[in-house]
Amino acid sequence: EAGVAQSPRYKIIEKRQSVAFWCNPISGHATLYWYQQILGQGPKLLIQFQNNGVVDDSQLPKDRFSAERLKGVDSTLKIQPAKLEDSAVYLCASSLVGEASLYGYTFGSGTRLTVV
Amino acid sequence: QKEVEQNSGPLSVPEGAIASLNCTYSDRGSQSFFWYRQYSGKSPELIMFIYSNGDKEDGRFTAQLNKASQYVSLLIRDSQPSDSATYLCAADSSASKIIFGSGTRLSIRP
Repeated sequence: EAGVAQSPRYKIIEKRQSVAFWCNPISGHATLYWYQQILGQGPKLLIQFQNNGVVDDSQLPKDRFSAERLKGVDSTLKIQPAKLEDSAVYLCASSLVGEASLYGYTFGSGTRLTVV
Repeated sequence: QKEVEQNSGPLSVPEGAIASLNCTYSDRGSQSFFWYRQYSGKSPELIMFIYSNGDKEDGRFTAQLNKASQYVSLLIRDSQPSDSATYLCAADSSASKIIFGSGTRLSIRP
């Protein structure tokens, strides 16, 4: 089966600009996650969707970050305006409903964002 | 705040030896535990998961879980240079999500 697809792979922007990342989960996976991984740290969950509904966005900086999954399949994460501290790898993962806790999940290749 | 804690390393182990990686977790409600391997510039890759107290073996890898001590470990036997990577310990949290430690950097020296 095809894995989790993410694009772009790399993005360099200036602070205060906006940026968007795209994720297409594994076919049939209703649950989708966006994580932020800052260099030297572990991934931190930003938002979790089940179908097109938000399950958990408690760690999403809502003043500048937004995410949507309108048709319950692919998802977009946006940052506007970007800050220097947003430089990180943004990872998308997906799972079947209820199976993440059993089997973990598979990450996409990530988008490396550099804010200058 | 639910946490998973790991020593950041680096942990240096000679080739052929056993590498031992450890982590602790704070949430007694966590039932499942995971080890991910992350090569530099790559995304994390799941290598082991464990639910029950005791050991679980898969090839050169053994995961160990002690729920009473809230302690998880990963042993890598016959360490190879290709095992050099950052190893992330993770635990399930509420509503089917996983929280990660900050990772331990492992270096296998020839």
